[in-house]
Amino acid sequence: AQKVTQAQTEISVVEKEDVTLDCVYETRDTTYYLFWYKQPPSGELVFLIRRNSFDEQNEISGRYSWNFQKSTSSFNFTITASQVVDSAVYFCALSEFPGYNQGGKLIFGQGTELSVKP
Amino acid sequence: EAGVAQSPRYKIIEKRQSVAFWCNPISGHATLYWYQQILGQGPKLLIQFQNNGVVDDSQLPKDRFSAERLKGVDSTLKIQPAKLEDSAVYLCASSLEIGQGETQYFGPGTRLLVL
Repeated sequence: AQKVTQAQTEISVVEKEDVTLDCVYETRDTTYYLFWYKQPPSGELVFLIRRNSFDEQNEISGRYSWNFQKSTSSFNFTITASQVVDSAVYFCALSEFPGYNQGGKLIFGQGTELSVKP
Repeated sequence: EAGVAQSPRYKIIEKRQSVAFWCNPISGHATLYWYQQILGQGPKLLIQFQNNGVVDDSQLPKDRFSAERLKGVDSTLKIQPAKLEDSAVYLCASSLEIGQGETQYFGPGTRLLVL
């Protein structure tokens, strides 16, 4: 069965520190997608990145970077030089594919609450 | 481009009452999802529509929850009667098409408290 584990429930850092959020997933599919979403206190889930299982290149977007390793079934997220505005709950998610003309269902981890203090 | 709209933002009801939530997806998005997010957990899919047809409702408690998307655009999720354990945030999301890997865009959610 598909499963996403975010072992870190809460992380607290001081502004300008680097922080890595861990995500480990389980799936029997050979083709799958992984996502990261940010949920600020307002409650809306904000899309950050999508990565398919065939693309293991790391990605950098400004202060954000993602490290995808199929060998360890991990898709970790690093924020460099964290800022107070980064404070939020971050979710890792896996896209399930049960069959033709189906799918799209996201399996979410429990989330990691990041607190960045000034 | 307007995002996913949801209303109301907050709702407080007594147990055994009924409640309805509304969602309007991003224009042109064929697929619409309702997720339930209990405090401290990740969202869990309740139901998925492709246009006005149901694709997946395997996790929907059908004895009390119902949803419809009559014209393939906006959608309504209803709970009748509500239980204490239904207290959660109900998130609506939409994607352009159906399928694995389609990015889902979420609305602000409706926070429900059942007393």
